[in-house]
Parts: sequence; structure tokens; C-alpha cells
Amino acid sequence: EIVLTQSPGILSLSPGERATLSCRASQSVGTSLAWYQQRPGQAPRLVIYGASSRANGIPDRFSGSGSGTDFTLTISRLEPEDFAVFYCQQYGSKPYTFGQGTKLEIK
Amino acid sequence: QLQLQESGPGLVKSSETLSLTCTVSGGSITNSNYYWGWIRQPPGKGLEWIGGLYYDGSAYYNPSLKSRATISPDTSSNQFSLKLTSVTAADTAFYYCARGIGGRYVWLGPWGQGAVVTVSS
Repeated sequence: EIVLTQSPGILSLSPGERATLSCRASQSVGTSLAWYQQRPGQAPRLVIYGASSRANGIPDRFSGSGSGTDFTLTISRLEPEDFAVFYCQQYGSKPYTFGQGTKLEIK
Repeated sequence: QLQLQESGPGLVKSSETLSLTCTVSGGSITNSNYYWGWIRQPPGKGLEWIGGLYYDGSAYYNPSLKSRATISPDTSSNQFSLKLTSVTAADTAFYYCARGIGGRYVWLGPWGQGAVVTVSS
């Protein structure tokens, strides 16, 4: 099973700042990596798939990069609605697995 | 617009079987492009993939569930269901259904709003 490790666990930033979230895989997944946003009390929402492709309706301030074992989700200028928990998920190998999450909180 | 909605008992007794249904609207579960899956999230914790159905009717389950999970389609109702046997307190969680995209190796979107299931002793 591929283990995904996200860092940091908590990221405290202010609106307007740039956020950089990391996801590291225990073995290569190519570009088979997705990112999800989960706001409090809501279901996860797909943000990025294929490591760098934005899902429908996702603003262009969200971008993903990386391949192999190291991946990054970047939010260029934080808006108030962006603060949430973000999870990465690999689909390069079964069982599909998720990272433990990064909480993006308002500073 | 595709929407998914989970339904089922919110309370299940330990050692019994958890049963949930996902109703899909705005699209058909027989669409050969998609996968239909279940994911769970214990309160305050992260996400765990349970399993799901591929377009050809085959299913894949997370081995961590040790064969306790069964996912079945009901094409006449455009639903798919989850049964999890021999539940314990560790199975208490929010349960989400979601559509998978990408063929045999999938990412998920959209998700249902989730159903909370509590296992009681």
C-alpha cells in the first residue's frame, strides 16, 4: 500500500497570501494524484487531478505540480472561502489511498 | 448536473450489518465511463477508500476491510449500495458515495453529502 504524507499538518496564513501544501508518496505514482478540499461540515470536493489539471469550476488561483513521489498544491492568493482541510489521493496503485490532510487556517 | 445522495440507518448495533444506499441523479450508473465508490471518514479523522464498482460490473474492495464489504448496483433505481458486515465501534464514520473518473484507476468527483453511521454496543 502506498502511504501519502502531507505537510505541514496545519498551515496558518492570511487572506491574500500564497499557500503551498505538500504531498509525498512512499513510492512513485507517476502523475496519478488528486487533491480535494473539505470545508467544515461538507463533503470533499475535487480540486486537482492528474497532479496538475484543475477540476471543473475550480478557480485558476489553484494549481498543482509534481510527479513521481513529490507533489505540491499551490493557492496563489488566498480567499476566505479557501480555508479548509486539503487531502491528496493517489490512484496509481490499488488500494487507492489518501494523505492525512493539511488544515489551512486563517492566521 | 450529477448528484449523489446517501441514505440508510444512522445507528447500527455492534456485530450487525451496516447497509447504505447511494441514489444517483443527473446521470446513469450504467455509463461505461465511470466508477461508483464508497469512502468513509471517522469523526475528526482522515479518509479511507472502501471500494466500488467499475463500469463492467466488477468490484474492487480495500483489503483492509477483510472481505466485510459488498457493493452492489441496482440499475433499475439508478442506485448502488454498501453492506458492511460484523461492524464494530471502529466502523463509526461518515460514509460518502462518489463517482470515480479515469477508467480503471480513478479520482473522485462529485461526492454525496455523506451519511453518519454510529455503531453502538
